[in-house]
Amino acid sequence: NAGVTQTPKFQVLKTGQSMTLQCAQDMNHNSMYWYRQDPGMGLRLIYYSASEGTTDKGEVPNGYNVSRLNKREFSLRLESAAPSQTSVYFCASSEALWASEELFFGSGTQLSVL
Amino acid sequence: GQQVMQIPQYQHVQEGEDFTTYCNSSTTLSNIQWYKQRPGGHPVFLIQLVKSGEVKKQKRLTFQFGEAKKNSSLHITATQTTDVGTYFCADYNQAGTALIFGKGTTLSVSS
Repeated sequence: NAGVTQTPKFQVLKTGQSMTLQCAQDMNHNSMYWYRQDPGMGLRLIYYSASEGTTDKGEVPNGYNVSRLNKREFSLRLESAAPSQTSVYFCASSEALWASEELFFGSGTQLSVL
Repeated sequence: GQQVMQIPQYQHVQEGEDFTTYCNSSTTLSNIQWYKQRPGGHPVFLIQLVKSGEVKKQKRLTFQFGEAKKNSSLHITATQTTDVGTYFCADYNQAGTALIFGKGTTLSVSS
């Protein structure tokens, strides 16, 4: 039982490159979330999926797209990476359809955009 | 949506001293969740408070929810080096569909 798995763990991109961050959970959770963490800024919500088949914007969605591929997987795509997207990205999941239960976080992806 | 403000941003204590972090909101909070993130790690859920005036304890940690549900606190008694990390509070967004986190309080402990 791995919980929430994120890949890759580290990534370096050049400005303008694209990439997809992968997230999968094996807990049969309904909700999944993408956060970014920057020094002094806490965790900011990028996008979330309250249930399979739905996605919604969070606090800082610009420059990102998401896909809820199935109940297990929720990917985050950067179409044209910018240095401002240098951050640590966390995927999280929750059993509840809404955020009324605890979130389980993955170990994070450290992304640098040069 | 809700925005929770955490103070202080940083706190350094000597091992054995107590520590308190506060989470404040200008509007009524639906509930509060607290998380701990160790250096280099990911956030881990500690507790959820739902009721006005609620107090919950986990060993040396005491969590409180204000009577007016506009603030919450986490108090650690006799800190240990294992308490080092960043403590976050979080509340629902306006739609009630996702958690919005405060900026956190980073605790350092010297022995």
